[in-house]
Amino acid sequence: EIVLTQSPGTLSLSPGERATLSCRASQSVSGSSLAWYQQKPGQAPRLLIYAASSRAAGIPDRFRGSGSGTDFTLTISRLEPEDFAVYYCQQYDSSRTFGQGTKVEIK
Amino acid sequence: EVQLVESGGYLIQPGGSLRLSCAASGFTVSLNYMSWVRQAPGKGLEWVSLIYSDGTTYYADSVKGRFAISRDNSKNTLYLQMDSLRAEDTAVYYCARMSGDGYKGFVEDFWGQGTLVTVSS
Repeated sequence: EIVLTQSPGTLSLSPGERATLSCRASQSVSGSSLAWYQQKPGQAPRLLIYAASSRAAGIPDRFRGSGSGTDFTLTISRLEPEDFAVYYCQQYDSSRTFGQGTKVEIK
Repeated sequence: EVQLVESGGYLIQPGGSLRLSCAASGFTVSLNYMSWVRQAPGKGLEWVSLIYSDGTTYYADSVKGRFAISRDNSKNTLYLQMDSLRAEDTAVYYCARMSGDGYKGFVEDFWGQGTLVTVSS
């Protein structure tokens, strides 16, 4: 099973700042089969990024995914108030697994 | 408008059985890949099962042999039959439509709001 480790666990930032979230896989994720989701309290997850760097429909361009192999990054260029949430990475190369999440909170 | 509405969540005793439903509108379940993902209270996401448009099914090791995914094309509804339930199956269960292609793969691009299953005596 491919284990995904996200860091940091919590990111405390102010609106307007840049957020950099990391997702490291225990083995190479082929085909860049990695997605990012955003989840707010009491809501279902929302797809942000798939295939490591492709934005899902309707996702603002301040969200950018990058990486390959075992190291992936989600960057939010300038945090908006609605971006404070928990973010999960998911690999779908070998079965499907999620990382444990990174919480982006208001500083 | 695409919509997914889960139902069937309940408080049930360990060892019991439950069937979750996910009614879809705005698209055809049988023509899409569909997935179930769960989230234990205060915890992260865990993929549970998926069904391809051709009927092929896959399961997480944690539920293999106990859960079964299926669909009713006439009702445009996805199901998850859960047997031999354990306390650790307690979670909100989400159904999701999967979209993609053979090149970039398939991901859960639209999710329902979830239904809570509590396994406790």
